[in-house]
Amino acid sequence: DIVMTQSPDSLAVSLGERATINCKSSQSVLYNSYNKNYLAWYQQKPGQPPKLLIYWASTRESGVPDRFSGSGSGTDFTLTISSLQAEDVAIYYCQHYYTTPWTFGQGTRLEIK
Amino acid sequence: EVQLVESGGGLVQPGGSLRLSCAASGFTFSSYAMSWVRQAPGKGLEWVSAISGRSGDNTYYADSVKGRFTISRDNSKNTLYLQMDSLRAEDTAVYFCAKDRGNGGGSVFDVWGRGSLVTVSS
Repeated sequence: DIVMTQSPDSLAVSLGERATINCKSSQSVLYNSYNKNYLAWYQQKPGQPPKLLIYWASTRESGVPDRFSGSGSGTDFTLTISSLQAEDVAIYYCQHYYTTPWTFGQGTRLEIK
Repeated sequence: EVQLVESGGGLVQPGGSLRLSCAASGFTFSSYAMSWVRQAPGKGLEWVSAISGRSGDNTYYADSVKGRFTISRDNSKNTLYLQMDSLRAEDTAVYFCAKDRGNGGGSVFDVWGRGSLVTVSS
């Protein structure tokens, strides 16, 4: 199974500042034939289901604010929030979908400093 | 509006069975692969099972539930199911129904239900 490891486990950032969350996979999730990274990011607020933010490592889902961006390739990926807003307080998860079992990172809790 | 609504959760004794349902609306249910994802209290997300779109001929399971859980779909009723047998305390979780975005390849989950709580305890 591919193990997804996020860092840090928790993060406190001031409003308007940049937040960066990292995700590392135990093996590459880059499908060379399509040159696509099978990596997604989700946001989960308390008492709510997860919400898809990013797929193919860097493609923003429709309706997601452009302050959210994804980058990386192979085994190392990053979710960046360019200017933190109060409504961004949540737990963020990465997920690979390269092969079953599809697995998630352990989550990164993002708070306001 | 695209919507998924889970039902069927509750309290069950270890070794017991439960069947979850997920009613879909607002999209062509039969065209999309569907999954169950669970979240134990205060913990992270764990993919449980998936079923392919159309006839649902292909099913996939996490090792933790293989042989105990069965996923199925009824496209005529726009409903996804998860039959859970031989339940264990570690199966206690909120079970989310999730729709595959349909990108191709593995599943990205673009629509989620609000979840159904399953508690396994004596």
